[in-house]
Amino acid sequence: GEDVEQSLFLSVREGDSSVINCTYTDSSSTYLYWYKQEPGAGLQLLTYIFSNMDMKQDQRLTVLLNKKDKHLSLRIADTQTGDSAIYFCAERGTGANNLFFGTGTRLTVIP
Amino acid sequence: DARVTQTPRHKVTEMGQEVTMRCQPILGHNTVFWYRQTMMQGLELLAYFRNRAPLDDSGMPKDRFSAEMPDATLATLKIQPSEPRDSAVYFCASGFDTGELFFGEGSRLTVL
Repeated sequence: GEDVEQSLFLSVREGDSSVINCTYTDSSSTYLYWYKQEPGAGLQLLTYIFSNMDMKQDQRLTVLLNKKDKHLSLRIADTQTGDSAIYFCAERGTGANNLFFGTGTRLTVIP
Repeated sequence: DARVTQTPRHKVTEMGQEVTMRCQPILGHNTVFWYRQTMMQGLELLAYFRNRAPLDDSGMPKDRFSAEMPDATLATLKIQPSEPRDSAVYFCASGFDTGELFFGEGSRLTVL
């Protein structure tokens, strides 16, 4: 079955870049997503990338996809304290309605 | 501003009691999902519906959990009887077939 892996914790200093990594096993994944969860809240979609793309940039966010290695990353430039949250990687397979989520990476931004 | 609405936001109950969680998906969305989040297991898919029909509930303990969509504006997740190991945050999400999922704020359940 599908397996999505992330490291559990990441700490960065305010103003630095953060890179959150994710690996997945389903080679038929069509879309890959990054969701953000702030304390006490639900998940909010940050960005997504279609599997035929290598990179997507959206303001401070850059998503890189290495389909050969099944590796996805999210780079947050100029990280702010408001970026402190849990970040989930998720993938959707071909013909599937549901998403498979990673364990989430807790990002802590140190002022 | 369309959003997924879940009730209750918090529920504390005793072991053995019935718990019902409700979700109002975003109007027009045709898929509805129930996820459970715990520290140990992360996000687990419990059940999902497409056009109100249950498509997959393999992630749900069938002996005590049930999920239904009595109409397009309401999805329910029921636990009977509840157990302490059911303590978690339960999320409902809705969306279209191939689009993003929109999550509710979650229902935090504590079973004593």
